[in-house]
Amino acid sequence: AQRVTQPEKLLSVFKGAPVELKCNYSYSGSPELFWYVQYSRQRLQLLLRHISRESIKGFTADLNKGETSFHLKKPFAQEEDSAMYYCALNGVTFGKGTHLIIQP
Amino acid sequence: EAGVTQSPTHLIKTRGQQATLRCSPISGHTSVYWYQQALGLGLQFLLWYDEGEERNRGNFPPRFSGRQFPNYSSELNVNALELEDSALYLCASSLGQENSPLHFGNGTRLTVT
Repeated sequence: AQRVTQPEKLLSVFKGAPVELKCNYSYSGSPELFWYVQYSRQRLQLLLRHISRESIKGFTADLNKGETSFHLKKPFAQEEDSAMYYCALNGVTFGKGTHLIIQP
Repeated sequence: EAGVTQSPTHLIKTRGQQATLRCSPISGHTSVYWYQQALGLGLQFLLWYDEGEERNRGNFPPRFSGRQFPNYSSELNVNALELEDSALYLCASSLGQENSPLHFGNGTRLTVT
């Protein structure tokens, strides 16, 4: 069975502070992991996927197979980063999401 | 490019009725996915269609069903509606290759009274 756990329902940080949104997964095969983001009044959209190994809007995420994690990180948070973030496994199984609030 | 479109935007039904939700994928996408987003539960996978066939199904009762048409658009049908079916139903499309990124619609808000 596949499972994605995002332990934080809500994460509040100050502008300019580092951000880390946690994601742990459970899957016996080779995982394909994604981060999706939903800004206020917008549709859910892809932020990044591990296979691309790219940085989008300053965010990066590294797949750690030993710890079965795919945490999303950004060194300096910006107010426009406030949104709901969902971690997804194999494109189908989603975590419950983390509401990120960036305080001015 | 036109995004994934869903209709209707809102749907109000009474318990026991049937609901039909529709989704048009991005042009060129052959896969359509359906999710239920109930308050506090995140996105729960319902169904995956590709090339007209049901490829995978989530842990939902059989009264949740759907189909994909030759033009790759899709319908989600929910029979014998229950109050707990009230949720936002999201449709997403992708290229159909394994683990292709999903492109989401704005959803249909279903309210069962």
